[in-house]
Amino acid sequence: SAVISQKPSRDICQRGTSLTIQCQVDSQVTMMFWYRQQPGQSLTLIATANQGSEATYESGFVIDKFPISRPNLTFSTLTVSNMSPEDSSIYLCSVNWGRYGYTFGSGTRLTVV
Amino acid sequence: KNEVEQSPQNLTAQEGEFITINCSYSVGISALHWLQQHPGGGIVSLFMLSSGKKKHGRLIATINIQEKHSSLHITASHPRDSAVYICAVRYTDKLIFGTGTRLQVFP
Repeated sequence: SAVISQKPSRDICQRGTSLTIQCQVDSQVTMMFWYRQQPGQSLTLIATANQGSEATYESGFVIDKFPISRPNLTFSTLTVSNMSPEDSSIYLCSVNWGRYGYTFGSGTRLTVV
Repeated sequence: KNEVEQSPQNLTAQEGEFITINCSYSVGISALHWLQQHPGGGIVSLFMLSSGKKKHGRLIATINIQEKHSSLHITASHPRDSAVYICAVRYTDKLIFGTGTRLQVFP
């Protein structure tokens, strides 16, 4: 399986601002997944990012709040826009390698104050 | 009721103890994953199972498809095993995650 480099590892942000999280994969992949993990909760899928097309968002998540870019087969960004304290979570990206399972990024721990 | 339930939620052990974490699910799945989450938030994939049993070092994972149940065992536990262990099932094209089991192993 490949390695995913996720940045930043953590950040403290003011409410009303935006943060962009980056994931770089060392192999080409078709789909990348973005997850949110709120404190004490399980991971929830935000969206699936395909190269060359719009991301597919899950129920409860919208593009205006969580815009995603996927400019090539090894890179994706997730932006958390107009942040509020409720957005404080761990955000993770992931890729699926079929029968080899999933690889996850190292996570971004976001605190909004 | 969540589609994926884990037990226990929290677990403490002394170094050297045998650990078992359980996962039950209620949907038809194509695979089950055991994941390890470290304090910083990063997740490492431990096992992917669709049947039977897998072993990697001191870790053993089993799955019973008929009973919709999986277990993760850690033999001779060590403080470095302290982490959150998450069960996730692949349902259609998505992963559904359990809420995790927080394990602390004391010297």
